[in-house]
Amino acid sequence: DIQMTQSPSSVSASVGDRVTITCRASQSIGKWLAWYQQKPGKAPKLLISAASTPESGVPSRFSGSGSGTDFTLTITSLQPEDFATYYCQQASNFPRTFGQGTRVEI
Amino acid sequence: QVQLVESGGGLVKPGGSLRLSCAASGFTFSDNYMNWIRQAPGKGLEWVSYISSRGTLVYYADSVKGRFTVSRDNAKNSLSLQMNNLRAEDTGLYYCARGITGADGSWGQGTLVTVSS
Repeated sequence: DIQMTQSPSSVSASVGDRVTITCRASQSIGKWLAWYQQKPGKAPKLLISAASTPESGVPSRFSGSGSGTDFTLTITSLQPEDFATYYCQQASNFPRTFGQGTRVEI
Repeated sequence: QVQLVESGGGLVKPGGSLRLSCAASGFTFSDNYMNWIRQAPGKGLEWVSYISSRGTLVYYADSVKGRFTVSRDNAKNSLSLQMNNLRAEDTGLYYCARGITGADGSWGQGTLVTVSS
């Protein structure tokens, strides 16, 4: 199975900050990496697919990059509604696997 | 708009069974693969099962293989997950999700499964 390792596990930030979350795969997954945002009590929401393709309606302050084994989600100018938990997921192989999550908090 | 509504969760004793359903609307159900993903209380996301758009290809997490069966009825826009021999570690919120290229594009709100004596 492909292991997905996210870092950091949590980050304290302020409104306006730039936040970077990394996700590392235990083997190459090409570009098949997705990022999700989950707020408390809500279902996850897709932000980015194929490593860098934003989902329709996702604010431009969210961007994804990377390929192979190393990927990054960047949030420029953090907004109050961005405080949430973020997960990466590889879609290259079965079983699909998620990172452990990164909690972005004040 | 895309809507996914899960149902069928509840409290069940270890060793028991449940059948989850997911009603889909707002998109051409038969065009999309579907996934079940679960989340234990206070924990992260765990992929459970995949079914192709026509139902001809299925995959399962090792943790549920041999106990869970995924199926779909494209005529009824419906996805199901039959869960047998349930264990305490199966407790969690179960989401159905619509697959798009390389990701799960839309998620339902989930149905809660609690396995406890």
